[in-house]
Amino acid sequence: AQRVTQPEKLLSVFKGAPVELKCNYSYSGSPELFWYVQYSRQRLQLLLRHISRESIKGFTADLNKGETSFHLKKPFAQEEDSAMYYCALGGGNFGNEKLTFGTGTRLTIIP
Amino acid sequence: GAGVSQSPSNKVTEKGKDVELRCDPISGHTALYWYRQSLGQGLEFLIYFQGNSAPDKSGLPSDRFSAERTGGSVSTLTIQRTQQEDSAVYLCASSLVDALSYEQYFGPGTRLTVT
Repeated sequence: AQRVTQPEKLLSVFKGAPVELKCNYSYSGSPELFWYVQYSRQRLQLLLRHISRESIKGFTADLNKGETSFHLKKPFAQEEDSAMYYCALGGGNFGNEKLTFGTGTRLTIIP
Repeated sequence: GAGVSQSPSNKVTEKGKDVELRCDPISGHTALYWYRQSLGQGLEFLIYFQGNSAPDKSGLPSDRFSAERTGGSVSTLTIQRTQQEDSAVYLCASSLVDALSYEQYFGPGTRLTVT
């Protein structure tokens, strides 16, 4: 069965400090992993996908199959990073038809 | 162009009543998804449509929940005989479905409160 675990419900970080949001997954096949973000009063939107290996808004995430982790990192936090972050695991033929989400981490950047 | 829209934005209903939630996906998106977000929970997958058919209904929590999609576009999620535990934000998303198009675009959600 697919499962995504985000162990931190709340995370507070000072502006300029590094950020790491943890995500661990359980999946028997080759995983498709995503980070989605929801800013205050906005819709849930895709932040990044592991296959693209992009850096979006300074965030990166590396898939570690040995540790079954997909932690989200940013070296220097900015106030606009305050949001709810969800890690998601894709399933289905193309890896995105059925997303299993974690419970989310609310990130607060302290000015 | 317009994004995914959902209506109503808020719905308060009495226990035992039926409710219908509507989703208008992005034009041209063949796939449509329903999720539920309960207080303190993550997003729970409910059902997925490819065109008008639903290859995966595994997330529907009970037989009180049903969904349909017509014309490959609008979808309706129906909850019969609502219960208090049905109170949640119901999110709809749409996407293209192929090896290159992976992003699901979410609507603003419908907040359902069952009293």
